Amino acid sequence: DSGVTQTPKHLITATGQRVTLRCSPRSGDLSVYWYQQSLDQGLQFLIQYYNGEERAKGNILERFSAQQFPDLHSELNLSSLELGDSALYFCASSLGQTDTQYFGPGTRLTVL
Amino acid sequence: AQKVTQAQTEISVVEKEDVTLDCVYETRDTTYYLFWYKQPPSGELVFLIRRNSFDEQNEISGRYSWNFQKSTSSFNFTITASQVVDSAVYFCALTGLQTGANNLFFGTGTRLTVIP
Repeated sequence: DSGVTQTPKHLITATGQRVTLRCSPRSGDLSVYWYQQSLDQGLQFLIQYYNGEERAKGNILERFSAQQFPDLHSELNLSSLELGDSALYFCASSLGQTDTQYFGPGTRLTVL
Repeated sequence: AQKVTQAQTEISVVEKEDVTLDCVYETRDTTYYLFWYKQPPSGELVFLIRRNSFDEQNEISGRYSWNFQKSTSSFNFTITASQVVDSAVYFCALTGLQTGANNLFFGTGTRLTVIP
């Protein structure tokens, strides 16, 4: 157990809908990262927050947004969902910005 | 740009055999970190090792060992006396520090199947 929690574990929804994925980092970690794992794209970095502020953006679609709250948990919002958004979404956390990232169990999103 | 190549898509070995997973990376950063993560069938990503670009010493942890060679931009992972529980997808990853971002660039992974 990495200490990073993600909810829900599974999410099934329809095209056009909006969902929110939640992540709680390990105790003491200030940095949160979101990654997407899909069959065609592999593991891709989406976005990073550090102590509430956005620090880096990867291949994140405009339909996706995220934030990190004062208690350091983070949410990833996915809207106008398409079939291609079906993937495993991972959250990771690290103590500082250059420390090892520990991953949560992931949220499997299925868009029908 | 950062790039990680894991040329071996799938490997099958018989239990107790040794197996080496290859990883080749590209980066323009002079300071960077290399990682290996394991993804068992249950799906989570488990951290195995982090190595910084200034430390070329090989590392051994139980049945696992890692060989980092800057001259060939490789960071290979060897499992000695493989066990069925080693069956998983293994990812090599890289992060460069010059850009100020710490995001991981992953290879495509190597699926290891250990046959009892």
